[in-house]
Amino acid sequence: QSVLTQPPSASGTPGQKVTISCSGSSSNIGTKTVNWYQQLPGAAPKLLIHSNNQRPSGVPDRFSGSKSGTSASLAISGLQSEDETDYYCAAWDYILDGYVFGTGTKVTVL
Amino acid sequence: EVQLVESGGGLVQPGGSLRLSCAASGFTVSSNYMNWVRQAPGKGLEWVSVIYSGGSRKYAASVKGRFTISRHNSENTVFLQMNSLRTEDTAVYYCARDGDRYGDAFDIWGQGTMVTVSS
Repeated sequence: QSVLTQPPSASGTPGQKVTISCSGSSSNIGTKTVNWYQQLPGAAPKLLIHSNNQRPSGVPDRFSGSKSGTSASLAISGLQSEDETDYYCAAWDYILDGYVFGTGTKVTVL
Repeated sequence: EVQLVESGGGLVQPGGSLRLSCAASGFTVSSNYMNWVRQAPGKGLEWVSVIYSGGSRKYAASVKGRFTISRHNSENTVFLQMNSLRTEDTAVYYCARDGDRYGDAFDIWGQGTMVTVSS
């Protein structure tokens, strides 16, 4: 059972903005940086956002991340059909002494 | 090209053992933190283990005492020895690099290898 909680689903129409939340605690998000991964069907996860709000090279700037206290968010602006897939937040947890992933959110483009 | 290629998955009976391999190219595994992450069918991602550049290791509580992570520097390969396998260990196992370029994020992933534990 994951210690990082995400909504199971989120949706929007093309061009809209979708926001995915990730709720944790002081032992993970509260004191560690948050990373976000995108996983297309049948594929390995891909790093989308690192260090709370930094985009690796090649990631479109319509993806953005933020963190406040023990929660984090991923925002997708200008939603596109190819954004319809699964997204996971993640962070190190110093009590569990391991890396923890969120429960995952499936984004649907209506 | 920087990449990771896993191998060694397959069908094994409960209580059995399996060793997964993760061959790296384009970078040196011993200079990075190397992880194993798994995903049960239709489920989310679960971190399994890490081996640090200095050689120390950590494990998820669900596999501690049963799984062992190691590496062979000259082969530039990371391994996951899985013993006392249970049906709940059935998953796709991914190898992932935690390089120092992107904080503690996993920037390079392999394609995964499927492990099925069933009688």
